[in-house]
Amino acid sequence: DAGVTQSPTHLIKTRGQQVTLRCSPISGHKSVSWYQQVLGQGPQFIFQYYEKEERGRGNFPDRFSARQFPNYSSELNVNALLLGDSALYLCASSFAGLAGAETQYFGPGTRLLVL
Amino acid sequence: GQQVMQIPQYQHVQEGEDFTTYCNSSTTLSNIQWYKQRPGGHPVFLIQLVKSGEVKKQKRLTFQFGEAKKNSSLHITATQTTDVGTYFCAGLTSKTSYDKVIFGPGTSLSVIP
Repeated sequence: DAGVTQSPTHLIKTRGQQVTLRCSPISGHKSVSWYQQVLGQGPQFIFQYYEKEERGRGNFPDRFSARQFPNYSSELNVNALLLGDSALYLCASSFAGLAGAETQYFGPGTRLLVL
Repeated sequence: GQQVMQIPQYQHVQEGEDFTTYCNSSTTLSNIQWYKQRPGGHPVFLIQLVKSGEVKKQKRLTFQFGEAKKNSSLHITATQTTDVGTYFCAGLTSKTSYDKVIFGPGTSLSVIP
């Protein structure tokens, strides 16, 4: 079975632009979470979606938004990009998104560079 | 706000030596997860600890959750070059969603052959 897939793998944007990142969860998984990992730091939670509904939101500005589609894939959108948005964006999937009872599986990430 | 710290930040060991990383939370956790991230890779789930004082072993890796559920450790016996990577703990205060998960800054392990 395929693992979590993300696209694109790398992206270069300039300040002020908008970006859309995509994630396909493991087949059968209904929960998708997004994380931002700045170089040298641990991942920081951005959003969690389950069954197309937002289940959780981290401490990120409104420039960040996400959605989940009926096939459980997900998109993360970032508007008005800043230099500080340069990071590895990770998607993780799990069956029901129950943090205390399940394993979440990370995708390979999208490396975003903002110039 | 809640903080999760890890020490040391970096550790260089000779192959065959033991390695330990410590994770400390400013608040009581419901559970803690450990991940390994190889250079250029993505985090890979290793284990989850739920009970106070819990100890779990995976081959050469031993994980421990403190009695107060505010600290945890990962110990690797007789390190190998395949153990190279950054080890992250992730503290959770919710059992139903990941919105309260806080990752530590990680411990980067280098193994000298």
